[in-house]
Amino acid sequence: DTAVSQTPKYLVTQMGNDKSIKCEQNLGHDTMYWYKQDSKKFLKIMFSYNNKELIINETVPNRFSPKSPDKAHLNLHINSLELGDSAVYFCASTLGGPNTGELFFGEGSRLTVL
Amino acid sequence: SQQGEEDPQALSIQEGENATMNCSYKTSINNLQWYRQNSGRGLVHLILIRSNEREKHSGRLRVTLDTSKKSSSLLITASRAADTASYFCATVEVQGAQKLVFGQGTRLTINP
Repeated sequence: DTAVSQTPKYLVTQMGNDKSIKCEQNLGHDTMYWYKQDSKKFLKIMFSYNNKELIINETVPNRFSPKSPDKAHLNLHINSLELGDSAVYFCASTLGGPNTGELFFGEGSRLTVL
Repeated sequence: SQQGEEDPQALSIQEGENATMNCSYKTSINNLQWYRQNSGRGLVHLILIRSNEREKHSGRLRVTLDTSKKSSSLLITASRAADTASYFCATVEVQGAQKLVFGQGTRLTINP
């Protein structure tokens, strides 16, 4: 009965590879996010989708492409991985947006690029 | 851009003592939220305080908000070893996209 689930939890890959992280929420929320947490624990928003529509796209390289097939899923595909992409990626969801309530986070996907 | 800045960056106290963490931010906000992150885990929401509120309580947690000083504090009373975690404040700005922007966090260690 996990609320926000991400897979995989750990991902180790070589530079130049392409990888995907999947996220699903069973809370009935309409807004989903991807955040990146670096080695200093700083959390930065990357993307936000509302009802499958992209509403926030921070200055993220084009190598990162989010996809939301339906409002319960938000996947993140990363092309041509670089060393600097190593981080923990968190998916989150909320009902109605952060102006009205809390975000629910997944457990994170730790990406290590060698 | 980073909105909130937390102080201290790290705090270590004895079990049973109170822990106070502070957060400062730069722009006008709709609300401010506090989250906890245990090591290797996701973030968990603790409290949301709106810009027209000055104080909120939840169990052993007390949050204050001073919009004139653009600052907030989180007080954990009677700390327990299980409170050991990183604590983040996050704000939703009045202007711009509705997004939650996080501070750098305070690493709290409760010594038994």
